[in-house]
Amino acid sequence: SSELTQDPAVSVALGQTVRITCQGDSLRSYYASWYQQKPGQAPVLVIYGKNNRPSGIPDRFSGSSSGNTASLTITGAQAEDEADYYCNSRDSSGNLWFGGGTKLTVL
Amino acid sequence: EVQLVQSGAEVKKPGESLKISCKGSGYSFTSYWIGWVRQMPGKGLEWMGIIYPGDSDTRYSPSFQGQVTISADKSISTAYLQWSSLKASDTAMYYCARHAYSSGYSYYFDYWGQGTLVTVSS
Repeated sequence: SSELTQDPAVSVALGQTVRITCQGDSLRSYYASWYQQKPGQAPVLVIYGKNNRPSGIPDRFSGSSSGNTASLTITGAQAEDEADYYCNSRDSSGNLWFGGGTKLTVL
Repeated sequence: EVQLVQSGAEVKKPGESLKISCKGSGYSFTSYWIGWVRQMPGKGLEWMGIIYPGDSDTRYSPSFQGQVTISADKSISTAYLQWSSLKASDTAMYYCARHAYSSGYSYYFDYWGQGTLVTVSS
């Protein structure tokens, strides 16, 4: 399957570290990209490639990958990191897929 | 500065046609793919399709093939998403986004439009 699977919800205490995962067969061949979406706003790219951050994204955001699983890690989560996070990748046919999204709550 | 500016919100009736737009600026519009993404109320992101304005090469998600048409006019740096007959289930926010790649194994949407809300109701 080329679909991507994410946990629906994750919580983290303020200042702690949280990992959000994304699973799918396509991740064995292609890197995931990660998007942050806050209510009423368009998604924002936070991680792409092996572990690249666009300009303006804090360095507490990092990415990694192993086998069929990609991970987004937030080290020292802040209140403003509370949002929905989506992974995205492509498959060998050229189709693009989004994960179902993970709602991150910062306690 | 790269910008994607989408057309405004639309309210339509079932069966009507619609074409929404996405105008790119601040970069070479013909050198990057532009994708369309649907977000139904309270739901996640869904990839609909993608177009390369340089030659209008277009790919569709299997879920949206035949349901919508994606096009582009490179002379005015604008991509389009259109429906010939809307349904209530087309009610959603629609985003366009620039698609980039690096290294051959990394593909991503690096810039997004602000979204166009489409409401279909009788």
